[in-house]
Amino acid sequence: LAKTTQPISMDSYEGQEVNITCSHNNIATNDYITWYQQFPSQGPRFIIQGYKTKVTNEVASLFIPADRKSSTLSLPRVSLSDTAVYYCLVGDRGNSGGYQKVTFGIGTKLQVIP
Amino acid sequence: KAGVTQTPRYLIKTRGQQVTLSCSPISGHRSVSWYQQTPGQGLQFLFEYFSETQRNKGNFPGRFSGRQFSNSRSEMNVSTLELGDSALYLCASSLKLAGGHADTQYFGPGTRLTVL
Repeated sequence: LAKTTQPISMDSYEGQEVNITCSHNNIATNDYITWYQQFPSQGPRFIIQGYKTKVTNEVASLFIPADRKSSTLSLPRVSLSDTAVYYCLVGDRGNSGGYQKVTFGIGTKLQVIP
Repeated sequence: KAGVTQTPRYLIKTRGQQVTLSCSPISGHRSVSWYQQTPGQGLQFLFEYFSETQRNKGNFPGRFSGRQFSNSRSEMNVSTLELGDSALYLCASSLKLAGGHADTQYFGPGTRLTVL
């Protein structure tokens, strides 16, 4: 299983763009990269997923370089409500039938400051 | 479409007892995974069930077990509870597509277990 490494914590002011980088040096060919957001006492919530290059949705962008050994989650213009823990996951697609095994990193605690 | 539901939301037990937690996945989702979350260890994978069979298992002792029913609902059981089992237990469901794109997991709110 690919292991992920991400910063333990980050602080940002409201309105700024936040970039959280995750390292996954041993990522396998079939692995996808997924980011989740978690608020205290709640289950993680899916943010974005990608395989290579750049993916963008209504809440975030995900940048993945060609070697796929890292990925960067970009949150544009953060607000206080974005204060949460962000997890980077590298998922094993599995064989036909899609047996899945994922590894959660320790997560990055993002604190947005007014 | 209703999300993943977990019952009960909160539970208090004493050492040595056993506990059963329940998870109802999103309608149509066939895979259910369980995770344990503690402040010190973060989110740790317990096991995954698909088509009523355990497909993957994390590094937990045999006191932790689970099962999945034909309607995809799942239960996990912890026997002989220890103080260290106090945690938030999260259930996640996914479609489990064959091959192709990696499945997105959708998490429930969790069951907060306190062992006294």
